[in-house]
Amino acid sequence: QKEVEQNSGPLSVPEGAIASLNCTYSDRGSQSFFWYRQYSGKSPELIMSIYSNGDKEDGRFTAQLNKASQYVSLLIRDSQPSDSATYLCAVTPGGTSYGKLTFGQGTILTVHP
Amino acid sequence: EAQVTQNPRYLITVTGKKLTVTCSQNMNHEYMSWYRQDPGLGLRQIYYSMNVEVTDKGDVPEGYKVSRKEKRNFPLILESPSPNQTSLYFCASSPGLAGEQYFGPGTRLTVT
Repeated sequence: QKEVEQNSGPLSVPEGAIASLNCTYSDRGSQSFFWYRQYSGKSPELIMSIYSNGDKEDGRFTAQLNKASQYVSLLIRDSQPSDSATYLCAVTPGGTSYGKLTFGQGTILTVHP
Repeated sequence: EAQVTQNPRYLITVTGKKLTVTCSQNMNHEYMSWYRQDPGLGLRQIYYSMNVEVTDKGDVPEGYKVSRKEKRNFPLILESPSPNQTSLYFCASSPGLAGEQYFGPGTRLTVT
């Protein structure tokens, strides 16, 4: 089992819809959770971080964390064509490996007009 | 402008010829890290550094070396590159937490 798995995609949604991106992780002791966005040919950029169970909202983005079920999700409301990108879930492990960061393989999102 | 820079951006080399990819950040960040990105395998961490003279292995450190002699610089060294190190390499830095990282523009390396 991969340490961090994302829904395989690609995901295609119409403009204005809600895009839902999911991520599961295998290390129950994982501490911190992040969503990065990567446009084609560009470097990843951080869009959300979440550290405790529940929802965290930032504009059109909502991150949801459920440590008991070991999943983290990202909802994008009112999706725009400019949201079309690859979304990467990243997780820091439990224990003393404070500097490690493990990424999922990414989900390609396309928002069509 | 706050940024992470990498050089070179593109490099084609031959098997066994030592090379260094430089990484520099101007944000006074303590944490820096190197990743490689390959199709189907995603981003994988090679090495990271929590501070000057403190480095540790990520998930795929074999065939790579790093050093952190100054806070702003974190070079990646391939002493004897092989074709399986052909990849897109990213350097990143963070003010504190490992996950909140700023990425450089990437270096595309081809080893023939």
